[in-house]
This record gives sequence, C-alpha cells and structure tokens, in this order.
Amino acid sequence: EVQLVQSGAEVKKPGESLKISCKASGYSFTNYWIGWVRQMPGKGLEWMGIIYPGDSDTRYSPSFQDQVTISADKSVSTVFLQWGSLRASDTAMYFCARRGDNWYFDRWGRGTLVTVSS
Amino acid sequence: EIVLTQSPGTLSLSPGESATLSCRASQSVTSSYLAWYQQKPGQAPRLLIHGAASRATGIPERFSGSGYGTDFSLTINRLEPEDFAVYYCQQYGSSPYTFGQGTKLEIK
Repeated sequence: EVQLVQSGAEVKKPGESLKISCKASGYSFTNYWIGWVRQMPGKGLEWMGIIYPGDSDTRYSPSFQDQVTISADKSVSTVFLQWGSLRASDTAMYFCARRGDNWYFDRWGRGTLVTVSS
Repeated sequence: EIVLTQSPGTLSLSPGESATLSCRASQSVTSSYLAWYQQKPGQAPRLLIHGAASRATGIPERFSGSGYGTDFSLTINRLEPEDFAVYYCQQYGSSPYTFGQGTKLEIK
C-alpha cells in the first residue's frame, strides 16, 4: 500500500530553523515526484514545490523560491521541507503529496502542523 | 503561472439537491490536467476527479467533472450530508501546479 507518513507537529520561535519530513513506502521512491502544499489557518491550498527523488530535480513555486528548501534522502525514502529562519507567517499545515503515473497527485500525507510563535 | 478562479465562493444547498462548482483558468490547462479535491476540517484533501472528468478510485458516481481548455466544472448530484465541505480545483499540467481558492459547500 502506498503511504506518505509525515512528521509530527512542531512549535518553534521566530528565527529558528526547522526541517519536516514525509516518509514514503509501498512503491519505488525514486520514480515518483513528491510535492509540498501549504495551508495557512482558515485558508486555501498553496502549491510550494516538488522534487524528483531519483535525481533531486526540484521545482519551486515563485512564491516560495528562496523561502524554503525541498530535499530528498533516497536511503530512507524521505522527502524534506526546511526553513532556515522561521517567521510567524510560516504558521500553517503542510501536506506532502505524490505525483502518480498519470501526473495527478494520487496520495497525500496527513499533514504536519507548524506553529511559529514567540 | 496559471491562475485558477473558482466560483461561487460559497454555495448553500440542501441535501438531495445538485451542486455545480466552476473553475476557470487564466490560460488553457495542458491536456485537461485538472483535478478536483474535497477537504473537510482537519483532514488532507481527498482526490475526487482527475483529467477533468475521471473519477478517482472509490468516488461515488454522483460526483462528475467536465470541461476543457479554460473552463471546468464539478457537479455533485443528490447531495448527501457528508458532501458538505470545501472543494478545490488544481491544474497539474504546468508548474507551479496551482490551486483555485476553493468553494465552500454549506448546508442551507
């Protein structure tokens, strides 16, 4: 069974760094793109970026370019989303999603809630 | 970047009625790579429709999608109580794979 298991909720202070994860199982990790989606409290879905774990080819939405870093570790079948310096406006739920054989996003993680507050 | 505009913002209907949600793109969506999702509070989005008109696995027949180019729609026939949620469209043919702002389907 294809599964994406995301890391647990985080509470951080402004200026701190953070790396959250999305562990894939049940399929060939290196052959499928995985993307990240942000959902701020009470708001809609925003596409952040996507990575191909096979060669780490990464594409970012212009809105998130230089704001976050997406990476992958093939040895543990895991994709990461990281921030170097968090802001209060990064408070949101973050979902990972797999791009399937027909290009649509067919599997989603349950989300990781990130809270940034002083 | 393709901008998706959904309408209406909120739709108030009663169980048993039919709902039609619209998604308009700022430019043509590649190969009708348009998906619809349902999201309930505290849950991840649930894929309903892909390729503009193909139901995802396990999705009831009362959900149907249509459209091509820049105009797409999601129709839900005979609304059930569990259908009241927020619905998003997404184009996945051209990076960034943008979402619409959502339509909230609420009980009248």
